Parts: sequence; C-alpha cells; structure tokens
Amino acid sequence: KAGVTQTPRYLIKTRGQQVTLSCSPISGHRSVSWYQQTPGQGLQFLFEYFSETQRNKGNFPGRFSGRQFSNSRSEMNVSTLELGDSALYLCASSLGPRLIGELFFGEGSRLTVL
Amino acid sequence: DQQVKQNSPSLSVQEGRISILNCDYTNSMFDYFLWYKKYPAEGPTFLISISSIKDKNEDGRFTVFLNKSAKHLSLHIVPSQPGDSAVYFCAATQSGANSKLTFGKGITLSVRP
Repeated sequence: KAGVTQTPRYLIKTRGQQVTLSCSPISGHRSVSWYQQTPGQGLQFLFEYFSETQRNKGNFPGRFSGRQFSNSRSEMNVSTLELGDSALYLCASSLGPRLIGELFFGEGSRLTVL
Repeated sequence: DQQVKQNSPSLSVQEGRISILNCDYTNSMFDYFLWYKKYPAEGPTFLISISSIKDKNEDGRFTVFLNKSAKHLSLHIVPSQPGDSAVYFCAATQSGANSKLTFGKGITLSVRP
C-alpha cells in the first residue's frame, strides 16, 4: 500500500513569493495534518483536516493556509514568503481525526527561501 | 512555551548497551504519548506509544516508561544497534477528537559499533 506522498520534495523560492505544497494520504485515510520542522523548533503543528474541514490549527500566522479535497488530498499554501519559512514541511495522515494510533508521515517538502 | 521537552540534544552509546532517551512535559492535560524515529531525508515513523492509564509499554527491544507524577517519560532501547542511530522525537497529545501532536525538539542517538 502506497505511503503518504508529498510534492514537490524540494523547492527554492524568494522572499515575497508564495508556495503551494501537496500531500496525498494513504488510501483510506481521511485525516491529514501538516507540521513544520526547523532545526531550532523541532516539529510544530500547522493544521489538521478531516472531511474537507479544518479541525485544528496551530500558532502560525494567516500567511499559512491549507485545504483538503473530497479525495482527502491536501494542499498547504504559504503566501508572502519570509526567510524564516525555510523548513521541512511534513504531511501526515491517519484513518480519522481521533488519534487511536500513529500518524503516518510523508518524506516532506523542503522549502528554501532566499 | 515548550510543552514537551527533550533536554539532551544528543546521546551516544555502544552497540549492545542500553539507550535511555528522556522526555518531560508540562501540560497535565496530555494523556497519550508517542515516540517517533526519523532518519535523514525521511519522514518520522511511529515507534511506540503509551496511554496515561499505563506506566509501561513494551514492544520488542523498545520500552516506554511513564511517570505521571513527575510528568516524565523515557524510551529504553535494549540492546542498542547501529541501525537505531536516528533522531528520536517524543510527542504528546490529549486523546480525543484531534490528531494534534506536540513534539519535543528531538534527540540524536548515535550507536557506535
């Protein structure tokens, strides 16, 4: 069974630009959450989606947004990029919003902002 | 405010010996705890979890201990193997209707052959 797929794996942007990252969850998984990983802060929760609805949101500015489609695929968007947005963005999927086990993570999208 | 703390950034142990990775938390509402392992260029993978109704959970070479009164948990790996070398993240959450995990900053474990 295919794992969580994230695209693109690597990308370079300049300050002020915007970026869209995509995540395809494991087949049958309906919950998708996003995390930002930076060397200084570890993994920080961005948001979680289930059935196309945002169920939870972390402490990130409004420049960070996301959505989920009817096929459970999810996208996150960062507008007006800042240098500090350089990070590994990880998507994770699970069967549902109630955490009864582990999240399954993708390999991440590494964003570099110049 | 770091609600999940992994105060030691790195740990080095000899192959065959025990690795003990520590984690502290401050939020008393957390009742479910997980450990994830991460290799470079890969996403984190689930290792083991424990509910607050237990004080120990074991899975093969991996055992997690929970001390609720001290708000402390630890992951024991016995015996340690070179393939265990990775970054280990402790995570916590309130069981219920969300999958929001609060992670620590991670510990880099190096197992020397």
